[in-house]
Amino acid sequence: DIVMTQSPDSLAVSLGERATINCKSSQSVLYSSNNKNYLAWYQQKPGQPPKLLIYWASTRESGVPDRFSGSGSGTDFTLTISSLQAEDVAVYFCQQCYSPPFTFGGGTNVEIK
Amino acid sequence: QLQLQESGPGLVKPSETLSLTCTVSGDSISSSSYYWGWIRQPPGKGLEWIGSLYYSGSTYYNPSLKSRVTISADTSKNQFSLTLSSVTAADTALYYCARHLRPSYSNYPFDYWGQGTLVTVSS
Repeated sequence: DIVMTQSPDSLAVSLGERATINCKSSQSVLYSSNNKNYLAWYQQKPGQPPKLLIYWASTRESGVPDRFSGSGSGTDFTLTISSLQAEDVAVYFCQQCYSPPFTFGGGTNVEIK
Repeated sequence: QLQLQESGPGLVKPSETLSLTCTVSGDSISSSSYYWGWIRQPPGKGLEWIGSLYYSGSTYYNPSLKSRVTISADTSKNQFSLTLSSVTAADTALYYCARHLRPSYSNYPFDYWGQGTLVTVSS
């Protein structure tokens, strides 16, 4: 299984400031055939299912604000919220879709400082 | 608008079988060519992919659960189901059904999710 490790576990950021979440996979999730990284990011608010934010490591899902961006390749990835808004308070998960079992990171709790 | 809704017993006794159904509306699971999956989340914890199914019957299961899991589809009712046998307290979780993002491929994330149903394993 590919192990996904997120850091930090928790993050407190002031409104309008940048939030950065890291995700590391135990092996590369880069498909050489199409040069795509099969890494996704989700946002989960209390009492709600996860919401897909980003796939292929950096492609925003339709309707996702552009303050959310993803970067990285191979085994190291980052989700950045460029200017934290109150509605961004949530837990964020990464997921590899490179090979089954499709594993998730442990989650990062983002709150307002 | 695509909607998914999980249903099933909220309480299951240890050693018994957990059975859940996901009813899909707004799309046909047999004609849309998507993969459909189950994911679970123990209270206050992270997410675990259980398995995914294509309407034709092709399935992928998490090896950690494979000996106990079956996912199947009832295309006439536009539903797909999860059964998990020999449950223990460790199977207590919020169970979600969801759709994979791209048609015909299972190696994409989930874009549509149900609201989830809590299943507690307890005598």
